[in-house]
Amino acid sequence: SYEVTQPPSVSVSPGQTASIICSGDNLGDRYVSWYQQKPGQSPLLIIFQDRKRPSGIPERFSGSNSGNTATLTISGTQVMDEADFYCQAWDSSTGVFGGGTKLTVL
Amino acid sequence: QVQLQESGPGLVKPSETLSLTCTVSGGSISRYCWGWIRQPPGKGLEWIGYTCYRGSTNSNTSLKNRVTISIDTSKNQFSLKLNSVTAADTAVYYCARVDDGQRLVDYWGQGTLVTVSS
Repeated sequence: SYEVTQPPSVSVSPGQTASIICSGDNLGDRYVSWYQQKPGQSPLLIIFQDRKRPSGIPERFSGSNSGNTATLTISGTQVMDEADFYCQAWDSSTGVFGGGTKLTVL
Repeated sequence: QVQLQESGPGLVKPSETLSLTCTVSGGSISRYCWGWIRQPPGKGLEWIGYTCYRGSTNSNTSLKNRVTISIDTSKNQFSLKLNSVTAADTAVYYCARVDDGQRLVDYWGQGTLVTVSS
């Protein structure tokens, strides 16, 4: 079965750029979504189809996907962005989540 | 604005069947697909499966055919049944709207914790 992997944690200073990667075999051939989950909350879709943002998601969130790596980039990271982030790809008709990355803003 | 709300028992005994219902408001269930995702305490998200109003159903093969997902259009609800549960099935269960054409999950319920214990 298909798998995608993420680093367990990423740290960034406020105002700086954070990058969270998601890796998988030929991941660039599949659409990737990104979800943000804050403690006690449901996941929130922040990027879909590699680079599109749903309505209401700030422009500082962006995505890319090529080769074996998809990347979520947060420009001008804010303290409020501290959360767990999950990438998700598709293996035929089954969704596959990465293990999640905890973003610490300090 | 589409809203989803899970309901069902919070405690299930080992070897029994976990049953949850998701009620959809703010939109008709007779479009899109509808699915379930779970999250064990302190861990990551796991895809369970989804069903579409057009009749197709897909589930995670890692759950070894223990999953049944169905839609009740008359009640604007869909449901999850997971049989032969063990402690490993203890998790927060989320219902969600799945757009398998656009390859995204855009609306999520608040989640409900189901504990498997005798």
